[in-house]
Amino acid sequence: QKEVEQDPGPLSVPEGAIVSLNCTYSNSAFQYFMWYRQYSRKGPELLMYTYSSGNKEDGRFTAQVDKSSKYISLFIRDSQPSDSATYLCAMKDQGGSEKLVFGKGMKLTVNP
Amino acid sequence: GAVVSQHPSRVICKSGTSVKIECRSLDFQATTMFWYRQFPKKSLMLMATSNEGSKATYEQGVEKDKFLINHASLTLSTLTVTSAHPEDSSFYICSARAITSGKGDTQYFGPGTRLTVL
Repeated sequence: QKEVEQDPGPLSVPEGAIVSLNCTYSNSAFQYFMWYRQYSRKGPELLMYTYSSGNKEDGRFTAQVDKSSKYISLFIRDSQPSDSATYLCAMKDQGGSEKLVFGKGMKLTVNP
Repeated sequence: GAVVSQHPSRVICKSGTSVKIECRSLDFQATTMFWYRQFPKKSLMLMATSNEGSKATYEQGVEKDKFLINHASLTLSTLTVTSAHPEDSSFYICSARAITSGKGDTQYFGPGTRLTVL
């Protein structure tokens, strides 16, 4: 079992839809959870950063962490064509490791 | 804040030549930088962790003599692909570790370098 599992999609939705992206993980030591957005031929851009469990909201984006289920989510409200990109979840533990463990990335297309 | 640049953005070279890629943190100091490789439609593969003033730590299976990493200052790390071959063609991305308000201790990525070896 991989440390981080993410459905690679692709996912196609109409403009204005609510998008839900998810990752599951197996390492209970993970404490920090991130979502990155990567446009084609570009480097990943940090979208959301969450420590431990709970929700975090930033504009149209909401990140949720459920540590009891080892499950994290990213919700995008009122999705726009400009949201079309690959979304990668990433996480790391609190043990001092600097390395991030990434999901495979989910390719999202928002159709106008 | 936390902007990372890479140069060049794209390079085409002949087989057997060496190519140097620069990664700079523009508005912060980064004691730790990372080098990744990304194949088409695949996730990021960590190649090495670069710490300022010390030797890089390479991931298993990454040839340290082929991928030379130097982190000579707090804002610059370089990756040199030596004696490049067509199988080294890939998208190389660097990141820098930073602690920012609201975003905690995480990595900020450069825009990537597309290497094509003919």
